[in-house]
Amino acid sequence: KAGVTQTPRYLIKTRGQQVTLSCSPISGHRSVSWYQQTPGQGLQFLFEYFSETQRNKGNFPGRFSGRQFSNSRSEMNVSTLELGDSALYLCASTEGAGYTFGSGTRLTVV
Amino acid sequence: GENVEQHPSTLSVQEGDSAVIKCTYSDSASNYFPWYKQELGKGPQLIIDIRSNVGEKKDQRIAVTLNKTAKHFSLHITETQPEDSAVYFCAASSSGGGADGLTFGKGTHLIIQP
Repeated sequence: KAGVTQTPRYLIKTRGQQVTLSCSPISGHRSVSWYQQTPGQGLQFLFEYFSETQRNKGNFPGRFSGRQFSNSRSEMNVSTLELGDSALYLCASTEGAGYTFGSGTRLTVV
Repeated sequence: GENVEQHPSTLSVQEGDSAVIKCTYSDSASNYFPWYKQELGKGPQLIIDIRSNVGEKKDQRIAVTLNKTAKHFSLHITETQPEDSAVYFCAASSSGGGADGLTFGKGTHLIIQP
């Protein structure tokens, strides 16, 4: 059974640009969540999608957005990148019995 | 919102000894408490979880205990091995890890000394 797949693994972007990250959940999982991991703030919840609907959103500015497609794949977008957006972005999927995380996308903003 | 405190931030133990990591949470509505292990370059991996209707759960060398009254839960690893070296995170959720997401502790860097 394939795990959670995140692409790309690494990204380098310039301040002011926008970026889109992709997540393919475990087959059959309808819930996909996104987390930001930084050394200072740790793991922080961004948002959760279930059957194409955002059910909850963490305390992040509107520059952070996401969506989920009918096949449960999800994307998150960050617009007008800031240096502080440099982080590991993790996607996790679940079908009710605990999250499975992907390996993440390492975003560096320069 | 929920707040999860985790201690210690670094724990060094001799191979074969036991390791204990402790977490406290603030929201009495939290009912799901998972523990994750994160190795360098990888995403967090679920190693054990417990729900609020259970006081203790074991899986081979790993156990978790929950005290709902005191709002704290702990991870116990016995007979530690070099491959246990990693960063461990506790988390809490009031929705079973679903819509409300997980609130994580800051992590414990566990070092197993040979």
